[in-house]
Amino acid sequence: GNSVTQMEGPVTLSEEAFLTINCTYTATGYPSLFWYVQYPGEGLQLLLKATKADDKGSNKGFEATYRKETTSFHLEKGSVQVSDSAVYFCALSRQTGANNLFFGTGTRLTVIP
Amino acid sequence: DGGITQSPKYLFRKEGQNVTLSCEQNLNHDAMYWYRQDPGQGLRLIYYSQIVNDFQKGDIAEGYSVSREKKESFPLTVTSAQKNPTAFYLCASSHQPGQSSYNEQFFGPGTRLTVL
Repeated sequence: GNSVTQMEGPVTLSEEAFLTINCTYTATGYPSLFWYVQYPGEGLQLLLKATKADDKGSNKGFEATYRKETTSFHLEKGSVQVSDSAVYFCALSRQTGANNLFFGTGTRLTVIP
Repeated sequence: DGGITQSPKYLFRKEGQNVTLSCEQNLNHDAMYWYRQDPGQGLRLIYYSQIVNDFQKGDIAEGYSVSREKKESFPLTVTSAQKNPTAFYLCASSHQPGQSSYNEQFFGPGTRLTVL
């Protein structure tokens, strides 16, 4: 089946610290992988995505590389800001058929000045 | 601006009452989805629809119903049969498989339902 396992939070970092949020997946076939971000009281926004092995998604200083050999899609940012405080969700979707997403449980990030 | 709207943002209902959550999109997407989010958990799929007048159950469809009479609209009814309806409900849409960026979903702002 399809599933996503995400690093448990919460994560608290000081401003300008390095961020890593781990994500591993189990899937049949070749899924696409996503990171979504949810700010307090809001819906989810797509942060970045990768559709095939070795692809690197990047946006707003965040990066994640699709690693088929380790079934991972870890999120990284070199220098976090207070405005990055949010909940981050790793997700995968199937390549064929129904298009729904499978989500991890989310990781809450708090960045302190 | 194109996007997805959900209304209302907050909804309160008494136990035993049915309630309908609205979801509208003007992105010209064929597929629409309803997810439920509970504290400390990921999103779980309730129902999805890949085309007008057709919809499929997701992982937690019991106690919910949907309709898809128009491409732009996918309302969700939380019935009295749903045992734990208090949650944050998120609607999303996407293109169909085969279209560009079909597996990228766009989300609405969500409706927080509280059953008293």
